[in-house]
Amino acid sequence: AQSVTQLGSHVSVSEGALVLLRCNYSSSVPPYLFWYVQYPNQGLQLLLKYTTGATLVKGINGFEAEFKKSETSFHLTKPSAHMSDAAEYFCAVSEGTGFQKLVFGTGTRLLVSP
Amino acid sequence: DSGVTQTPKHLITATGQRVTLRCSPRSGDLSVYWYQQSLDQGLQFLIQYYNGEERAKGNILERFSAQQFPDLHSELNLSSLELGDSALYFCASSVSGGGEAFFGQGTRLTVV
Repeated sequence: AQSVTQLGSHVSVSEGALVLLRCNYSSSVPPYLFWYVQYPNQGLQLLLKYTTGATLVKGINGFEAEFKKSETSFHLTKPSAHMSDAAEYFCAVSEGTGFQKLVFGTGTRLLVSP
Repeated sequence: DSGVTQTPKHLITATGQRVTLRCSPRSGDLSVYWYQQSLDQGLQFLIQYYNGEERAKGNILERFSAQQFPDLHSELNLSSLELGDSALYFCASSVSGGGEAFFGQGTRLTVV
C-alpha cells in the first residue's frame, strides 16, 4: 500500500529565506504525487502535482517540487518565503492513476517570521 | 472559493446521536470524495462516489454511510456517534475519477 512520510511537523523560516518541506513516499506503482496547502479554517488547495513527464513540477504561489524516483522523494521548495505562506502543507500519493483515494502525510506546519 | 459547498460548517452533537453532512460538488463534477481529518488519525480517505455509484472505499466505519443523489450532491451519515468521531470532514469533487479534486471548507463535527 502507498504511504507518505513528511519529515518535521513544524518548519520555521524567516521571511525571504528558502522554504524546504520534505516528503518521502512508498508506492508499489508509479506514483501520482501531490502537495496541498491548508490555511486556518480553510479546505485543502492543490499547490502542484506530479503525474508523469518532467520531474520538476512548478505550482502556484512560487512553489515547486522535484520527483526523485531513486530517493522516493518529492520535496517542496520555494526560494523566498512570504508571510502569507504560513500554513499547513500536506504531501499525498494517489492509490490510483488519478486523484481518487489520496493517502496523505501527517502535514508540516510552516511558520514564517518577519 | 473552490466551488464545493459543505453544510453545516459546524455541528455539535451528543454521543449516540446521528448526523448528516451535506456536500454540493462543483458544477459539472461527477465524482465526490469524503475525507476525515482528526488530530490522531490525520487526513484519511473515507469513500468516493462517481455519478451516483460507490467507486472506492477507504477507512470508513460501519457506523458511517454515504450516498450520492441524482443531482450529484452527496451526504455522509454518521450514526451512534462517539467522542472519537469529532473531526473535520471534508468533501472534494472532481470532473471524473482521474481529475483534480477540489476541496470544500469542511464540516467541523464535535461530539460531546
